[in-house]
Amino acid sequence: GESVGLHLPTLSVQEGDNSIINCAYSNSASDYFIWYKQESGKGPQFIIDIRSNMDKRQGQRVTVLLNKTVKHLSLQIAATQPGDSAVYFCAENMRGAAGNKLTFGGGTRVLVKP
Amino acid sequence: GAVVSQHPSWVICKSGTSVKIECRSLDFQATTMFWYRQFPKQSLMLMATSNEGSKATYEQGVEKDKFLINHASLTLSTLTVTSAHPEDSSFYICSATKPPGQAYYGYTFGSGTRLTVV
Repeated sequence: GESVGLHLPTLSVQEGDNSIINCAYSNSASDYFIWYKQESGKGPQFIIDIRSNMDKRQGQRVTVLLNKTVKHLSLQIAATQPGDSAVYFCAENMRGAAGNKLTFGGGTRVLVKP
Repeated sequence: GAVVSQHPSWVICKSGTSVKIECRSLDFQATTMFWYRQFPKQSLMLMATSNEGSKATYEQGVEKDKFLINHASLTLSTLTVTSAHPEDSSFYICSATKPPGQAYYGYTFGSGTRLTVV
C-alpha cells in the first residue's frame, strides 16, 4: 500500500480566487529559489525566481515571498484560472564542492474548480 | 533562448537491457547538466551532476555503475540505465545551466523521458 509522504498535498481553489502555496526549504545557505509548475507527463516549467537578498518578487499574476528566518517560501497566484491546475514545486539552489545544484521540495497539487 | 531537448520522450524496454536517454542544449552551451528521477506523485530527485569533460558527481544512494552519465560536449549529456529492471521505471528529466557569468543561474529543463521496464 501507499505510505504517508507519497501523496502530494492538494490545494483546491475556486476559479478567480487567489492561491497560496507554501514551501519549507532545507539549507540556510541556499542563495536562489525558483518556483516551477509541472503538468502531467511534462518537465518543470519556470514560473518565478528570487534571490536570497530579496524578500519579495512579483511577476504576472504571481508573487513569491521569501522568509529566510524560518526558511519559508510561498507562491501566490492571483485570480487563479483553470489553466493553473498543475503540481507546483519550489526549488533551492545550493552551492556545493562540485558547483551549484538545484534540489526540489515535495510539491503541491493545485486543483482549480470552475 | 535556452531550450533543452530530451530524447526519447518515452521508451519501453525489456528487463535486463540498457536504455540511453539524450539531453541536448539547443541554443546555448551547457557547462553543467543535471539528471533527475521522478516517481509518480513524488518530487524530482537529483541523481547526478555532470560537467563537460569530467566525471559525473552522483547523489548519495544513486548507483553510478547502473546510471552511466556521459557529458562529452557542451551541448550533449547522456544517461544510460544499464541492466534495467521494473523498479527503474520512472520519469527521467534533465536540466542544463549556462556557463557562470550569465545573468542568472538559468536552469532549463527538458521535457522528460518516461521509461517503462517490462
